[in-house]
Amino acid sequence: DTAVSQTPKYLVTQMGNDKSIKCEQNLGHDTMYWYKQDSKKFLKIMFSYNNKELIINETVPNRFSPKSPDKAHLNLHINSLELGDSAVYFCASSLLGAGNSPLHFGNGTRLTVT
Amino acid sequence: AQTVTQSQPEMSVQEAETVTLSCTYDTSESDYYLFWYKQPPSRQMILVIRQEAYKQQNATENRFSVNFQKAAKSFSLKISDSQLGDAAMYFCAYLFTSGTYKYIFGTGTRLKVLA
Repeated sequence: DTAVSQTPKYLVTQMGNDKSIKCEQNLGHDTMYWYKQDSKKFLKIMFSYNNKELIINETVPNRFSPKSPDKAHLNLHINSLELGDSAVYFCASSLLGAGNSPLHFGNGTRLTVT
Repeated sequence: AQTVTQSQPEMSVQEAETVTLSCTYDTSESDYYLFWYKQPPSRQMILVIRQEAYKQQNATENRFSVNFQKAAKSFSLKISDSQLGDAAMYFCAYLFTSGTYKYIFGTGTRLKVLA
């Protein structure tokens, strides 16, 4: 029973392409997140949705567009990929308002832009 | 702005020994939550332990315990009886609960366990 699953696990593509990463959670959580982990392992929040509503939108290029069709799914579409987009992207979920609710992470998608 | 600082980029410990990883944070909030996550080479993010700021008692989970000093804004992780499987990146995280729920992570500490 995978709690937070994201696909694909690996993504290798060329500069200028458009790609999507999908995420689904079966924990009944109402809030989902996208984090980017760079080559130095730094984890930076990108977006967060609560019940399909965007609640966190950090300083991210507008080539990145999240979409949440329902509270169990959060996808990330990236247009015109650049070399600097290479990173591991993590999807995560939690229960808003349950203060000590930890983040539950997916296994990450390693994106390599060549 | 809330920040989380892990001042030790890398630590080493002998198997069966004890090691402490440090974490400090900056906040003006009185109500918040703190977490330690482990990321082994498999890159999976695993929750190790959590602490509510309103609780004075330090959290413990088997061989893992924290030293939470609220006034000093310090949240260190102690690993006792270290095992080879403890080798990983360890991230301290702060949950900011006012307004949007935002989890802020430190820069991580790489722990090596020596046999």
